[in-house]
Amino acid sequence: DVKVTQSSRYLVKRTGEKVFLECVQDMDHENMFWYRQDPGLGLRLIYFSYDVKMKEKGDIPEGYSVSREKKERFSLILESASTNQTSMYLCASSEKGLAGYNEQFFGPGTRLTVL
Amino acid sequence: DAKTTQPPSMDCAEGRAANLPCNHSTISGNEYVYWYRQIHSQGPQYIIHGLKNNETNEMASLIITEDRKSSTLILPHATLRDTAVYYCIVRVAYDSKLTFGKGITLSVRP
Repeated sequence: DVKVTQSSRYLVKRTGEKVFLECVQDMDHENMFWYRQDPGLGLRLIYFSYDVKMKEKGDIPEGYSVSREKKERFSLILESASTNQTSMYLCASSEKGLAGYNEQFFGPGTRLTVL
Repeated sequence: DAKTTQPPSMDCAEGRAANLPCNHSTISGNEYVYWYRQIHSQGPQYIIHGLKNNETNEMASLIITEDRKSSTLILPHATLRDTAVYYCIVRVAYDSKLTFGKGITLSVRP
């Protein structure tokens, strides 16, 4: 079974703290993604990576950065956490696309609260 | 913006078929229709995808109209565990990204 794991299920941080969210996948997938999910707004793509050390901005990258030093690990970084970054964060991975088929496998999510 | 529109919610009785509609009137020839679902407190899960032919797997069937402007996801015998938010997504073949809309909340009642 494909496994995407995230470092924490719940996290509470203070405004201004630097926050690291870690994601690890065990299926040798090239692509990895970070989303956030908020009530009424659905899932929104923050950043994604299609290879080691490669990254591309998604729809809402402001206030976030990412790091992909190893193929299996993709980190989301909040340089200075703010209360509007309180959200559910979801990581996903997928193979480099076969035409027409590119299933994303999601982790369980990290619920981050910034006080 | 998501390229699909779905009703916000629907319900069905346990054991009956659940037919979830999706409109994608601006779909282009190289775009696939994908369905994912998200059970409460879990990450989304892939269900099925198709281009223009109808598709079936162990979870569901996907019916795409001939003009490809709409589709229906069919859960043939809904169970309580199928209660979830279902996302219909249109994606170009070469694009790894998915754009999720708000989805449709399916409630299966006993």
